Amino acid sequence: QQQVKQSPQSLIVQKGGIPIINCAYENTAFDYFPWYQQFPGKGPALLIAIRPDVSEKKEGRFTISFNKSAKQFSLHIMDSQPGDSATYFCAASRGGFQKLVFGTGTRLLVSP
Amino acid sequence: GAVVSQHPSWVICKSGTSVKIECRSLDFQATTMFWYRQFPKQSLMLMATSNEGSKATYEQGVEKDKFLINHASLTLSTLTVTSAHPEDSSFYICSAPRGHEQFFGPGTRLTVL
Repeated sequence: QQQVKQSPQSLIVQKGGIPIINCAYENTAFDYFPWYQQFPGKGPALLIAIRPDVSEKKEGRFTISFNKSAKQFSLHIMDSQPGDSATYFCAASRGGFQKLVFGTGTRLLVSP
Repeated sequence: GAVVSQHPSWVICKSGTSVKIECRSLDFQATTMFWYRQFPKQSLMLMATSNEGSKATYEQGVEKDKFLINHASLTLSTLTVTSAHPEDSSFYICSAPRGHEQFFGPGTRLTVL
């Protein structure tokens, strides 16, 4: 119930493509769903987050789609760039102040 | 955004020694901080929740006597790996919540020889 399942494990897209990363959760008590970007040897950095009262949120080139009934959410990266090559983690928690449960991560490579 | 720092950024120690890692919230106060461990090419695994003024809460399977946590002030939490062994080599990351967001430190790479 505490797990967050993330797919795919790795992803390669060409520059300008739109990679999509998917996550699914079981615990309906989760009410905060952030996405983090991590570069090698660095800590995760918050990209964008959503709460279950909205179905979509956009910030710059990043969009979260949220399907409450299916207990799924996804990250779309528009006009992807080589600098977006990193590992992306979805996460979930009961409130932003609470401990996060992380997905397994997706290694994204954007080719020039 | 809010800034969380960690010190040291990397440390190498001999087996059997203890290592202390500091996590500081630089521009905000944090009554709670979280400590994670990340092995190469794996996800972050929560080790414990650090609570200012009270004992830390450890996740199942994490040895509290091995990983000592002290939340000394509203801006500082420390993780001490006692009697470190090579299997403790990992990337240790702390986070602190501010508002609805959690901000992560840059991580500490621990290598135990």
